[in-house]
Amino acid sequence: DAGVIQSPRHEVTEMGQEVTLRCKPISGHNSLFWYRQTMMRGLELLIYFNNNVPIDDSGMPEDRFSAKMPNASFSTLKIQPSEPRDSAVYFCASMTGTKINTGELFFGEGSRLTVL
Amino acid sequence: AQSVTQLDSQVPVFEEAPVELRCNYSSSVSVYLFWYVQYPNQGLQLLLKYLSGSTLVKGINGFEAEFNKSQTSFHLRKPSVHISDTAEYFCAVRSISGGSNYKLTFGKGTLLTVNP
Repeated sequence: DAGVIQSPRHEVTEMGQEVTLRCKPISGHNSLFWYRQTMMRGLELLIYFNNNVPIDDSGMPEDRFSAKMPNASFSTLKIQPSEPRDSAVYFCASMTGTKINTGELFFGEGSRLTVL
Repeated sequence: AQSVTQLDSQVPVFEEAPVELRCNYSSSVSVYLFWYVQYPNQGLQLLLKYLSGSTLVKGINGFEAEFNKSQTSFHLRKPSVHISDTAEYFCAVRSISGGSNYKLTFGKGTLLTVNP
């Protein structure tokens, strides 16, 4: 079975540019999470979707960040305009509703973003 | 709200030595507890979890963890480590009930380095 698929794996861009990160969750998983990982702050939950609907976006740092889930098999995280402090590894993770209590999130391999 | 403290940011050990990675948590409600492992350049994967029952739980790759409610700890152990266990290990908690029970709160991670 294919796992969570993220693209691009690496992105280097200049300050002010728009960045779009993509995620394909595991088929049948109805919960999707975007996390950001940095040395300073560790893993932070940015946004949580359930059945394609954003449930909790309290972790989105500011208006420059937006996320969408137009269907059950695709989600995007967009940063516009990007800033150097956005440099981090961004993870997408998915989970089935029946596993909500077991905590078994399935993570993608991450998108490493560097903003110069 | 919950918080997780991983007491050691780095733990170097020699191959075949025992290891303990420490995790303490704080929560005003009952929680489930998890350990995730992140190998270099990969996403996180579930190592083991405590939901209920026996306080000693066994996970993959020979790891085990013990839940101690009075000390609010969930330390991870392995009696004999291998080079391939070199990775970053994350402790995480989730509230058992409530509106935010989908949210995993992660510690900042412990980098385990196994040397020959």
